[in-house]
Amino acid sequence: EIVLTQSPGTLSLSPGERATLSCRASQSVSSSYLAWYQQKPGQAPRLLIYGTSSRATGIPDRFSGSGSGTDFTLTISRLEPEDFAVYYCQQYGSSQKLTFGGGTKVEIK
Amino acid sequence: QVQLVQSGAEVKKPGSSVKVSCKASGGTFGRYAISWVRQAPGQGLEWMGGFIPIFGTANYAQKFQGRVTITTDESTTTVYMEMSSLRSEDTAVYYCARTYSGYDPPRYYYYYMDVWGKGTTVTVSS
Repeated sequence: EIVLTQSPGTLSLSPGERATLSCRASQSVSSSYLAWYQQKPGQAPRLLIYGTSSRATGIPDRFSGSGSGTDFTLTISRLEPEDFAVYYCQQYGSSQKLTFGGGTKVEIK
Repeated sequence: QVQLVQSGAEVKKPGSSVKVSCKASGGTFGRYAISWVRQAPGQGLEWMGGFIPIFGTANYAQKFQGRVTITTDESTTTVYMEMSSLRSEDTAVYYCARTYSGYDPPRYYYYYMDVWGKGTTVTVSS
């Protein structure tokens, strides 16, 4: 099973700042099959990015994903008030062995 | 616009079973898989398994093999997740989610999840 480790655990930033979230895999993720989700308290996760760098429908272009192999990054270029939430990465390169990272909380500084 | 509507909250005794439903509307049922993902209080997300209607197959994460059964009723476009031998550690919010999937014989692949239900809270307590 591929273990995903997200860092930092918490990111304290101000609106307008740039956020850089890391997701590291215990082994190479096949075909860059990595996704990112946003979750706000009391809500279901929301798909942001799939295939490492493709934005889901309706996702603003301030969200971008990059990486390959074992190291992946989600970048939010300028934080908006609605972006403060928990973010999860998920790999889907292994048959029936989808795994999620432990999450990074982006909080208002 | 695809929507997934889940059944209401459940309170169960340890050792019992629970069955959660997820009704799909507004789209073509069967074109996509449905996954079940759970989230324990204050914890992260955990994929439990899924169902791919066009292949009529259910697949499970190893941790849940033998304890979780995912079925579907195509006539009502509803997917069910039943978990048996409940224990307190199963207390969580259970989500269903539309999932892109694939088949590369002999393996089925579940990819990313783009539409989610609102979640069903299952509490296991004596």
